[in-house]
Amino acid sequence: AQSVAQPEDQVNVAEGNPLTVKCTYSVSGNPYLFWYVQYPNRGLQFLLKYITGDNLVKGSYGFEAEFNKSQTSFHLKKPSALVSDSALYFCAVRDSLMGFQKLVFGTGTRLLVSP
Amino acid sequence: GAVVSQHPSWVICKSGTSVKIECRSLDFQATTMFWYRQFPKQSLMLMATSNEGSKATYEQGVEKDKFLINHASLTLSTLTVTSAHPEDSSFYICSAQDGTRVGEQFFGPGTRLTVL
Repeated sequence: AQSVAQPEDQVNVAEGNPLTVKCTYSVSGNPYLFWYVQYPNRGLQFLLKYITGDNLVKGSYGFEAEFNKSQTSFHLKKPSALVSDSALYFCAVRDSLMGFQKLVFGTGTRLLVSP
Repeated sequence: GAVVSQHPSWVICKSGTSVKIECRSLDFQATTMFWYRQFPKQSLMLMATSNEGSKATYEQGVEKDKFLINHASLTLSTLTVTSAHPEDSSFYICSAQDGTRVGEQFFGPGTRLTVL
């Protein structure tokens, strides 16, 4: 079965500094990987995805993520953090061998960007 | 494009009553819809997957008679929490997927249910 690990409950970064939110995954087939962001009392907003192709994926709001097959990782990055980036971030994976579209989510990482 | 709405955004009800939550895909046809439950400071827990015109597939541990899901059309799915109790209080989020965007789910804004 597929699984996702987000090892950090919280990441603190100063505004203007680069940020990284970590994600590792486990699948039987090929991974379809996603990052979502959630603001308080809101649903999830899609940031970016990796299906195939370039390992570096660019997404919304200046975020990007790098797919690393050997390390089974898909870390989310941004070169310069904004206070408005403070939110809850979820990594999710779908296994290409799964018969339907089930997404498995990590436990989430809270990002706090200080002014 | 790819907007999913939920109604209501929040609801407060008395214990023992039933509550219906609607999930609509506004600008695309959703062949598959998903219902999640999220507890405070926790991740999303998939409750069930529904395909239009067929019975929902429930995840292990989710009572199908408690959480009734209907996906009657390609743009609407409903979740009914029957005989709600305080432990059913939670944030319920739906998502929808069409057949053309591989793997991408579009999420509704969520519904906060409080059972008194």
